[in-house]
Amino acid sequence: GAGVSQTPSNKVTEKGKYVELRCDPISGHTALYWYRQSLGQGPEFLIYFQGTGAADDSGLPNDRFFAVRPEGSVSTLKIQRTERGDSAVYLCASAAGRTDTQYFGPGTRLTVL
Amino acid sequence: EDKVVQSPLSLVVHEGDTVTLNCSYEVTNFRSLLWYKQEKKAPTFLFMLTSSGIEKKSGRLSSILDKKELFSILNITATQTGDSAIYLCAPDSNYQLIWGAGTKLIIKP
Repeated sequence: GAGVSQTPSNKVTEKGKYVELRCDPISGHTALYWYRQSLGQGPEFLIYFQGTGAADDSGLPNDRFFAVRPEGSVSTLKIQRTERGDSAVYLCASAAGRTDTQYFGPGTRLTVL
Repeated sequence: EDKVVQSPLSLVVHEGDTVTLNCSYEVTNFRSLLWYKQEKKAPTFLFMLTSSGIEKKSGRLSSILDKKELFSILNITATQTGDSAIYLCAPDSNYQLIWGAGTKLIIKP
């Protein structure tokens, strides 16, 4: 595709619910990153995929967060038992390779009520 | 612990002014430093700096890195209202970007 796309653009859910956020990277990009950004702060690294595998998941805050990229393209970030503190903009970025410039999607704004 | 500090946190100037945005960092395994512009949600790439003292330019924007003093600056000359955004710097620490909180720049007509 022309750029990184993310769906949905906005998601409102209730505390305790499960949510899935989707990222479609630029075609051919092997590296994919998930970040979380709260108001007034820079993006916070969550997880990095190289191909299908999670090469670095050190940023996932706890075991309620999980991400997959089964075919090395689309990725899904899954959050179980959502909490109000999970409210943020979730950004996805892709890059041709690990050392290449990251290009960001428009993000998903998650609001947990 | 890795640290990135951007200053000022916010800045309001008039169209036509020149601004300088600062980024100081302390990160392990430094590889490069990136600048991004964030207008709505998606940060857009501006510059990647790897060597000290070499200025990168793109139109009215320019940036330089000092690896000895551990800082970078982003200059914008003849500012326009379209430059209003949050400017983020992110040193690459062993292939992981460490993000600053950003400088919110507002350009008044």
